[in-house]
Amino acid sequence: NAGVTQTPKFQVLKTGQSMTLQCAQDMNHEYMSWYRQDPGMGLRLIHYSVGAGITDQGEVPNGYNVSRSTTEDFPLRLLSAAPSQTSVYFCASRGPYTEAFFGQGTRLTVV
Amino acid sequence: GDSVTQMEGPVTLSEEAFLTINCTYTATGYPSLFWYVQYPGEGLQLLLKATKADDKGSNKGFEATYRKETTSFHLEKGSVQVSDSAVYFCALSDPPGGGADGLTFGKGTHLIIQP
Repeated sequence: NAGVTQTPKFQVLKTGQSMTLQCAQDMNHEYMSWYRQDPGMGLRLIHYSVGAGITDQGEVPNGYNVSRSTTEDFPLRLLSAAPSQTSVYFCASRGPYTEAFFGQGTRLTVV
Repeated sequence: GDSVTQMEGPVTLSEEAFLTINCTYTATGYPSLFWYVQYPGEGLQLLLKATKADDKGSNKGFEATYRKETTSFHLEKGSVQVSDSAVYFCALSDPPGGGADGLTFGKGTHLIIQP
């Protein structure tokens, strides 16, 4: 039972580069979310989805895009990386009124 | 909107000490409440949960009781171990909508247990 799988685990980007963080879940969960975790800031919501074809912005969406073409996958795209996007990124999935299941995280450094 | 408030720490205790991490919440509906734990270099894992008032969640010696009258969900453990050193997040789950995903986290409490 894989749960929530995030790739890659580590990434270094140069300023201005683009990349996609992958997230896949095998629990048939409707809800999926992307968070970033920074020291002293806790978890901040970037984007979320309540089902295939439906996405919405969270607290800190600027500089990121998402899509949800299938129930299983919810990729996060960085359009033009900036040093301020250096962070640890977590993907999570859950069903209604259930706990969230998290991936292992992607540690991104933008130089 | 919904919110969760918890002590941020770091909280430093000696091994075998009693642990309390306070968590209070505000919510418009009738949320489920959770404690998550994050060990160094890992993602968040569910530690325990409670889905209605007066429910007690428990796991690995940790306990928390859903207190609707005080809007609290304090985490307790009778005797902590060095292996309990981690960051603990209190969270609530409410139906999604209105620009939020329905899952609200506190900022996390860094717990350090010394031998």
